[in-house]
Amino acid sequence: GQQLNQSPQSMFIQEGEDVSMNCTSSSIFNTWLWYKQDPGEGPVLLIALYKAGELTSNGRLTAQFGITRKDSFLNISASIPSDVGIYFCYGQIGGKLIFGQGTELSVKP
Amino acid sequence: SAVISQKPSRDICQRGTSLTIQCQVDSQVTMMFWYRQQPGQSLTLIATANQGSEATYESGFVIDKFPISRPNLTFSTLTVSNMSPEDSSIYLCSVETGRRSYNEQFFGPGTRLTVL
Repeated sequence: GQQLNQSPQSMFIQEGEDVSMNCTSSSIFNTWLWYKQDPGEGPVLLIALYKAGELTSNGRLTAQFGITRKDSFLNISASIPSDVGIYFCYGQIGGKLIFGQGTELSVKP
Repeated sequence: SAVISQKPSRDICQRGTSLTIQCQVDSQVTMMFWYRQQPGQSLTLIATANQGSEATYESGFVIDKFPISRPNLTFSTLTVSNMSPEDSSIYLCSVETGRRSYNEQFFGPGTRLTVL
């Protein structure tokens, strides 16, 4: 079946550092969404991407929909402690909605 | 966006019993979804619940185990039936606001279920 491969699985960084994570697939996706989940909460939508090549920013977050439509990345610049959480990519392919495995981000002050 | 609440927020249940989880939205939405998130894992879609029709279940999930109701455009319930410890998970509902063609979903806070 279709799968999203998200990496890295976890990251431990120093406050102020930039972060990059990505999702790849062997299948072509119509939509890429990026979510963040804080402990004990549901995922919150960060960025939505709908076109191949689309580059979108939301504050310190930037995400891109890969040209091949098989991948997407999320960058966080100048990380702060409240960036801690699990980040999920979420893609739509042929009507199916699939989450990546998640990237757990830890930020040391 | 939409504001979504779930009840209960958490529960501890005995094996063999059933639990019904409620999801309430502050606006009328066409599509509601139920997800399961097992400990340390990603989210897996259980079913899509549209008002006025039977829920559509994903592979590996069946109506007898996870019956769903969708009586109106702001409310849905998911029942976890005949529970076993393997059902211990976070159960989340989400809604699609329909502003775009594709799937910007907004999630409730989740119901953390522990089955003993």
